[in-house]
Parts: sequence; structure tokens; C-alpha cells
Amino acid sequence: DQQVKQNSPSLSVQEGRISILNCDYTNSMFDYFLWYKKYPAEGPTFLISISSIKDKNEDGRFTVFLNKSAKHLSLHIVPSQPGDSAVYFCAASARDSNYQLIWGAGTKLIIKP
Amino acid sequence: GAVVSQHPSRVICKSGTSVKIECRSLDFQATTMFWYRQFPKQSLMLMATSNEGSKATYEQGVEKDKFLINHASLTLSTLTVTSAHPEDSSFYICSAKRQGIDTQYFGPGTRLTVL
Repeated sequence: DQQVKQNSPSLSVQEGRISILNCDYTNSMFDYFLWYKKYPAEGPTFLISISSIKDKNEDGRFTVFLNKSAKHLSLHIVPSQPGDSAVYFCAASARDSNYQLIWGAGTKLIIKP
Repeated sequence: GAVVSQHPSRVICKSGTSVKIECRSLDFQATTMFWYRQFPKQSLMLMATSNEGSKATYEQGVEKDKFLINHASLTLSTLTVTSAHPEDSSFYICSAKRQGIDTQYFGPGTRLTVL
């Protein structure tokens, strides 16, 4: 049973437009969420995180939104750039689980010129 | 969906001892498994890639003799931290992928604390 789901395996976006990556979770005990970016043959790189006490966190072009009632979070990238083409992983953790990370399967983002 | 488990989830050991961490793909055959290490508030660092039945490929800077990786079957890979030291304390995560499919499925991680 996947507790963290990224239902879109891939997403194609025009350069300069907004990229929206979605993530759903089932465990209401999750209290910390992270987004990672991964290029081929490299390890995932941490992008941005959000605590459950917030509903939005912004860092430059990246914004993460958390909707606790819907158990949904999204990553917005504005404007999208060619270097943003990568696989994006959503992960969640809970304090009572020693903050073990539960990962989504990833969404491949392709930025078209 | 594809599920990857790790055992143990948390381990505390004394300096100088060895610790084995298991990574299992529960409902699929994983031809390739990856081992990552994460320091607090930092990104995951790829340590090694293991293919079933062959020797693991280690990333630069990772000591092969210290971090022993075995991928004996299509559903199990193990990471053994030998002669552990406090600086080895970290969060170790594995991931697994099926042959021909790019998606990596990550395990929940193992938190190692070396006293």
C-alpha cells in the first residue's frame, strides 16, 4: 500500500510556463514533506520542504503548497527552465516513525524549448 | 504498487561493531538496487549501485571495504557497515528498480547511530 503517491509518471511543460507537480498521501500522521530532484545517474537532490503547520513554503522559483484536509501537496516551478528537466520525488515523514522517509514513485518533468 | 522495505528501521551500535541493513523489494523483482546516505538537512548521496548477481559499483569516495554490499537475489540487497565509527552515523536509504523501467522505488530508510 503506497502511502505517498505521485500519479503522473511524466509531465511535459513549455519553457517559461508554470510546472505543477502533484503528490497525494494517505497517512494523516505525516508532518513533514519534502521534494527531491533527480538527474539520471545521480542521487536525488533536496529541493524544498514543508512542515504540516504551514500551507505554503516558497524558495525562489519553487513553491510547495500543502492541503492537509485533502492530503495533497504540490510543487510549483515558475518559470520553468530547461535545467528543471529531471525526475521529481515527493517524500513524507512522521515524528512518531522516527522521521523515516516514505517516498513517491517520482514524476519525470520535461521542459520543452 | 511497488513496495520496498528496509530492516532495521533504526539501529544503535557501539563503535567498532558491524551493522547489516537489509533492503527488500516486496512485490517485484529488482534487477538493480541503489544505496544512498543522507546527512541531516542534506540531500541524499548515492553510495553504490548493485545489480543482482554481480559486484556493486561504488561512487567515488565511498570505501568498498567499509560498506559491503551484497545483492544475492532479485528481491534482497544488504549493506554492511563494517567497524562502524561515530562518523558513520547517518540515514541510509535504498531504492530498487525493475529491469527496463526507470522509476526507482525507495525504501523508508534506516537510521544508524554509532556510539
